[in-house]
Amino acid sequence: EVQLLESGGGLVQPGGSLRLSCAASEFTFSTFDMSWVRQAPGKGLEWVSIISSSGTSTYYADSVKGRFTISRDNSKNTLYLQMNSLRDGDTAVYFCAKRPLSEGYFDLWGRGTLVTVSS
Amino acid sequence: SYELTQPLSVSVALGQTARITCGGNKIGSKNVHWYQQNPGQAPVVVIYRDSNRPSGIPERFSGSNSGNTATLTVSRAQAGDEADYYCQVWDSSTWVFGGGTKLTVL
Repeated sequence: EVQLLESGGGLVQPGGSLRLSCAASEFTFSTFDMSWVRQAPGKGLEWVSIISSSGTSTYYADSVKGRFTISRDNSKNTLYLQMNSLRDGDTAVYFCAKRPLSEGYFDLWGRGTLVTVSS
Repeated sequence: SYELTQPLSVSVALGQTARITCGGNKIGSKNVHWYQQNPGQAPVVVIYRDSNRPSGIPERFSGSNSGNTATLTVSRAQAGDEADYYCQVWDSSTWVFGGGTKLTVL
């Protein structure tokens, strides 16, 4: 089954770090750009970051620029999000999502992993 | 930065037509995509590039985009259509979502 499965969420103190992973199955992971989108409790969707298929290009939302780093390992079909200097406002469910070739939307999403930043 | 504006909520009677709007500056010049999200689940794209339906999405879902407003139309609304809906565009290497609209089927 074509799917994305996130992991690595949990409770972390403000100022702490966390690394999220997203494992891809049953599609050619290395062909597609991949992204992270988050959703704070009871709130809407917020795009976080995207990485090109080769990993050479990355883009970030202003809210996380300089604190979060997106990366990928195409040999392991896995996407990552390294989150540093975490703040209360980073509390959210983090989804990974796949971008179809040359398109501006996301056609496959994972179920998400919850990150809670609290002391 | 580009902003998208959606109504917080839209109500529709069972079997009637719901229209959810997404406002943005000259949004008609951009490709607009729509997602449906049920509670506790991941979003699912229901319309891409203004008016295209992915396979598996009922024909009751349609979209349009012109001027400063894009619209998602849900015809013959069913109870199962009750969900949150988000519009989204790509702008200057960023992906922008609207604030979301809760569709209630009465």
